[in-house]
Amino acid sequence: EVQLVESGGGLVQPGGSLRLSCAASGFTFSSYWMAWVRQAPGKGLVWVSRINGDGSSTSYADFVKGRFTISRDNAKNTLYLQMNSLRAEDTAVYYCAKPMTGTRNAFDVWGQGTMVTVSS
Amino acid sequence: QSVLTQPPSASGTPGQRVTISCSGSSSNIGSNTANWYQQLPGTAPKLLIYRNNERPSGVPDRFSGSKSGTSASLAISRLQSEDEADYYCAAWDDSLNGLVFGGGTKLTVL
Repeated sequence: EVQLVESGGGLVQPGGSLRLSCAASGFTFSSYWMAWVRQAPGKGLVWVSRINGDGSSTSYADFVKGRFTISRDNAKNTLYLQMNSLRAEDTAVYYCAKPMTGTRNAFDVWGQGTMVTVSS
Repeated sequence: QSVLTQPPSASGTPGQRVTISCSGSSSNIGSNTANWYQQLPGTAPKLLIYRNNERPSGVPDRFSGSKSGTSASLAISRLQSEDEADYYCAAWDDSLNGLVFGGGTKLTVL
């Protein structure tokens, strides 16, 4: 079964850091672009970042550039999101997502999400 | 404010056909394909339509997508109560070099 399981969310103070993980199983992880998408409470979906299969190419939404870093460990089938200089507006459920075969952005598999709360 | 514009709400009665629009620009829908997601309360999004009008395996043919110029549409025919959910469009934006989502449309089945 194809599965994504996020972890690492929690409560952090403004200015703090957190690293999210997404454990993948059931597919050839290294063959797929992967992405992070977030959703603030009661709000819509917002794309955060993506990374290609070997980790050599990354893209970020403007509001996280310079603060967040996406990476992957293909040996561990795990996707990461290092989040630094966190702000209250980063409070959201963070989902990792896998695209359909042959696409980069049509996400057919999503994790259950991990909640990040930035508050003092 | 979202780069892709969707109506905040839509409604219909069981059996009816409803359409949800998604308006973009030349840098996103105008030059790339659109995808649609359904999100039920408290759950992760589910891919409904990809590449403008293709349905993943398992998605009922009641759901269909189309694209014209810089806009895309999702149509749901033979509306059912379980279709009550939030619907989002998405497309890659070449100018922003990022994926953009619509603000979402809350569909109510009356």
